[in-house]
Amino acid sequence: NAGVTQTPKFRVLKTGQSMTLLCAQDMNHEYMYWYRQDPGMGLRLIHYSVGEGTTAKGEVPDGYNVSRLKKQNFLLGLESAAPSQTSVYFCASRPGFLNQPQHFGDGTRLSIL
Amino acid sequence: AQSVTQLDSQVPVFEEAPVELRCNYSSSVSVYLFWYVQYPNQGLQLLLKYLSGSTLVKGINGFEAEFNKSQTSFHLRKPSVHISDTAEYFCAVSDTVPDKLIFGTGTRLQVFP
Repeated sequence: NAGVTQTPKFRVLKTGQSMTLLCAQDMNHEYMYWYRQDPGMGLRLIHYSVGEGTTAKGEVPDGYNVSRLKKQNFLLGLESAAPSQTSVYFCASRPGFLNQPQHFGDGTRLSIL
Repeated sequence: AQSVTQLDSQVPVFEEAPVELRCNYSSSVSVYLFWYVQYPNQGLQLLLKYLSGSTLVKGINGFEAEFNKSQTSFHLRKPSVHISDTAEYFCAVSDTVPDKLIFGTGTRLQVFP
């Protein structure tokens, strides 16, 4: 029972490079989320999806894009990485019923040099 | 929009002592509250949740929280902590539409022998 799986776990990029973070869940959850966690700031929502083929902006969407082509996968893209995007990224998912708790992956630690 | 305030960024405590981690939220007609725990290098795990009903909510690992509507608080308590409780704790409130979580900035609980 894998739950929410994030790949990769660690990555170092140079400024201007692009990359995609993958989130996969095996719980048939409708909702999926991408957060970033920075010291002293808690978790901030980047983008989220309420179902396959739909995405929406969260609190800090600039510099990121997302896609949800399959229900079980939620991809987070950085088109041109900047040092300000150095962070730990967490993916979460939850069922479609109202106010169900979110289930989190173990995170991706991303450093932009 | 909802907001969450965790008043203490760090709480040091000795093993077997009681602990309270404070959380206040902005007022709303209806509110759903969560506490999550994050162990080092891991994602967030749900400790407990308040959706409705009894204001005293019991969670995993001996933690409990009390929902106080008049004080707009949802403080987390444990009567006797263990070394293994050392972690970061996040309070979160569910926003109305479309059901996102707003996280506090976290409280680092450090348990000393």
